[in-house]
Amino acid sequence: SYELTQPPSVSVSPGQTARITCSADALSNQYVYWYQQKPGQAPVLVIYKDSERPSGIPERFSGSSSGTTVTLIISGVQTEDEADYYCQSADSSGTNWVFGGGTKLTVL
Amino acid sequence: EVQLVESGGGLVQPGGSLKLSCAASGFTFSGSAMHWVRQASGKGLEWVGRIRSKANNYATTYAASVTDRFTISRDDSENTAYLQMNSLKTEDTAVYYCTRQGLLVGATGGFGYWGQGTLVAVSS
Repeated sequence: SYELTQPPSVSVSPGQTARITCSADALSNQYVYWYQQKPGQAPVLVIYKDSERPSGIPERFSGSSSGTTVTLIISGVQTEDEADYYCQSADSSGTNWVFGGGTKLTVL
Repeated sequence: EVQLVESGGGLVQPGGSLKLSCAASGFTFSGSAMHWVRQASGKGLEWVGRIRSKANNYATTYAASVTDRFTISRDDSENTAYLQMNSLKTEDTAVYYCTRQGLLVGATGGFGYWGQGTLVAVSS
């Protein structure tokens, strides 16, 4: 089965840059999407198609891709960015959708 | 404004059944693919399954963990999606989210909009 691997946790200080990686166990022709989830809330899409930002998402959120690894980049992290972040994609057939295990971002 | 409102969650015994509903508004429901995603307490997100639009023959796909037990359906006249859950197991205990595939502008993939979720507890 297709799997996505994320680090369990990332810690940064306010104003620094946070990088959260998502590694696939195989190459896929599918894009990767990123979601932010705060406690007690539903997830919110923050990056789509590897690096595109939906309307209303701050410019400090960006994404990059290289080989089988995609990265969510949060520049100038703010305390309000503390949350769980999940990457998501699908297998090559596009029929089986998967999430990474999630990364807890702590803003110290 | 896009709204997704889930209902139908509750407590059910192992082996039992439950049907969740997702009432949608603010977009053209009939043309949208709809998904269900679940999250056990303190755990990560897990994709449950998808139903595509009439134009795509209402095709459904499911995660391996729920195949043959769960069924997704839709009523485009009521702008509602459903998740029928049978042979429930304790490990199915989770908050179940209804999601719309894509955004109104931009993304055609991913989960662009989410409901607030409904809790399903499977316990004796």
